[in-house]
Amino acid sequence: GQNIDQPTEMTATEGAIVQINCTYQTSGFNGLFWYQQHAGEAPTFLSYNVLDGLEEKGRFSSFLSRSKGYSYLLLKELQMKDSASYLCAVMDSNYQLIWGAGTKLIIKP
Amino acid sequence: GAVVSQHPSRVICKSGTSVKIECRSLDFQATTMFWYRQFPKQSLMLMATSNEGSKATYEQGVEKDKFLINHASLTLSTLTVTSAHPEDSSFYICSACSGRDYNEQFFGPGTRLTVL
Repeated sequence: GQNIDQPTEMTATEGAIVQINCTYQTSGFNGLFWYQQHAGEAPTFLSYNVLDGLEEKGRFSSFLSRSKGYSYLLLKELQMKDSASYLCAVMDSNYQLIWGAGTKLIIKP
Repeated sequence: GAVVSQHPSRVICKSGTSVKIECRSLDFQATTMFWYRQFPKQSLMLMATSNEGSKATYEQGVEKDKFLINHASLTLSTLTVTSAHPEDSSFYICSACSGRDYNEQFFGPGTRLTVL
């Protein structure tokens, strides 16, 4: 079966750095996405990785290792507004998104 | 970036009634639209994939006669929840991709359905 694993909840301090991990087992791979979802809102796109390595976009970076079936989202200089759920999703061989359950990130002052 | 709208954003209805949710791509033509359902504290669950001008492809366990999907144009898809019951109460989200690039789905803001 297809499976996406990520921690259920994480807590970090404002101004700090946090890394959210995601491991996956899917039938085929056409890229890995990270989305941010605030409570009661739809997800918003953060990043897309299809090749191994690190993609940096401002305070957010995303890393992918296809051989390990592993990705992480790195958030730097945390702000209170970063409190949200972060969803990892993998596009399989049929171009369908397989979603993780999301990681709820709590930022404390 | 591409914009997708959903209407209504929130709806409360009585058990047994039908509810229609619209999903529109505002500044691009969406060859494919996806309908998701999300229960509290759970991840997105794909319900169906719809391509313009053809029948939707439903995921296993999703009743096609209960969740009617119509993708009549390249900018509009509708989801009708027929004879809604309280267990259908959920957050329904649509997304769309242009077909030029399968790399990104653009999400609508979601519709909160509450069935009394």
